[in-house]
Amino acid sequence: GESVGLHLPTLSVQEGDNSIINCAYSNSASDYFIWYKQESGKGPQFIIDIRSNMDKRQGQRVTVLLNKTVKHLSLQIAATQPGDSAVYFCAENIGGSYIPTFGRGTSLIVHP
Amino acid sequence: DAGVIQSPRHEVTEMGQEVTLRCKPISGHNSLFWYRQTMMRGLELLIYFNNNVPIDDSGMPEDRFSAKMPNASFSTLKIQPSEPRDSAVYFCASSLGQGIGEQYFGPGTRLTVT
Repeated sequence: GESVGLHLPTLSVQEGDNSIINCAYSNSASDYFIWYKQESGKGPQFIIDIRSNMDKRQGQRVTVLLNKTVKHLSLQIAATQPGDSAVYFCAENIGGSYIPTFGRGTSLIVHP
Repeated sequence: DAGVIQSPRHEVTEMGQEVTLRCKPISGHNSLFWYRQTMMRGLELLIYFNNNVPIDDSGMPEDRFSAKMPNASFSTLKIQPSEPRDSAVYFCASSLGQGIGEQYFGPGTRLTVT
């Protein structure tokens, strides 16, 4: 989920487990959401997106769930692998705005 | 495609010096974004260009920061004079269309101002 201060929330899992990363977004007018993955020393990389007229979207090993009632977004990663270790950000776009608002990120650590 | 290209990858400079960061977006993309990332503030949008025109620079912290996009394949972010609080990783990203949708980020420039 979201974080305050200097430290990112961290999720530690074992290789092969499923991971769920949560994000509470801020604006009920947001209508487009993206999950990004950022590995150490690299820029964020697109994982999956979802529009507000959907509540679920699946990709390869990833699923995004959207609950507009409570303004909550989650990213589910199936059969987590060490290569999934990274910081994961959710981003929201408000009503067609071109400016995404990024969350603070969650650090995922996958133990072999 | 080589992706978004940024240079330099690392920059160490003294307070008061001018710093210029460079970005080459993905060919064919018409939206370009400059971001700054710090542990304290996370990822912040500084400025957004569409078709080489600055559309929104409300995220630019102050007059010491300026950005240009003279053509579709090149953009610069300049800090003059630089200050220690400008130390951060600066990312350039590009996308197709008006900016909604997937953005492709460069590897970033790690700036350290001493």
